Amino acid sequence: EVQLVESGGGLVQPGRSLRLSCAASGFTFDDYAMHWVRQAPGKGLEWVSGISWNSGSIGYADSVKGRFTISRDNAKNSLYLQMNSLRAEDTALYYCAKDGYLPYSSSWYYFDYWGQGTLVTVSS
Amino acid sequence: EIVLTQSPGTLSLSPGERATLSCRASQSVSSSYLAWYQQKPGQAPRLLIYGASSRATGIPDRFSGSGSGTDFTLTISRLEPEDFAVYYCQQYGSSPWLTFGGGTKVEIK
Repeated sequence: EVQLVESGGGLVQPGRSLRLSCAASGFTFDDYAMHWVRQAPGKGLEWVSGISWNSGSIGYADSVKGRFTISRDNAKNSLYLQMNSLRAEDTALYYCAKDGYLPYSSSWYYFDYWGQGTLVTVSS
Repeated sequence: EIVLTQSPGTLSLSPGERATLSCRASQSVSSSYLAWYQQKPGQAPRLLIYGASSRATGIPDRFSGSGSGTDFTLTISRLEPEDFAVYYCQQYGSSPWLTFGGGTKVEIK
């Protein structure tokens, strides 16, 4: 059974940093691209960032480019999101999601498994 | 960036009725790279459809997707009580920029 478990969320002041983690199990983690998707309270879904199986391709939404950094540790079956210079508009539930396309893909597709999310609140 | 517009914003229907949800793209979605998700309150989204018309594993056949180019449709043939939720479309034809529609809420009439 595929499991994605996010952690690291919390209350943080504007301008500060936070690092999210996602522990994956139930599939061959290092074969697939992975993503972070967020959802502001009461709002829709927004893709934040994606990383290919070997970290060779990385992409960001314009709203976070230059402030957020995605990374992965295939030896630990883990995905990370380093979030710097946080803003109030970054307040959201952050989901870790597995790319649903074929293994070893360098592009992004759709999301076939999701974690339950970790809540990030940016407020003074 | 491809912008996806979903309509209607809210659909009020009764169990057993047919639901038709629309997703319109601001430009053509290449290779029909469009997916649909269902999200219930307090839960993560669940993949329903990918490639515009392929059902994901375990999805009942009352859910079907169709369309190409800029116009896509999710149809639920007969609504079950568990189908009342919010539905999102997502395009991946302009990777690496993935975008979602704003969602359609299907509520009980």
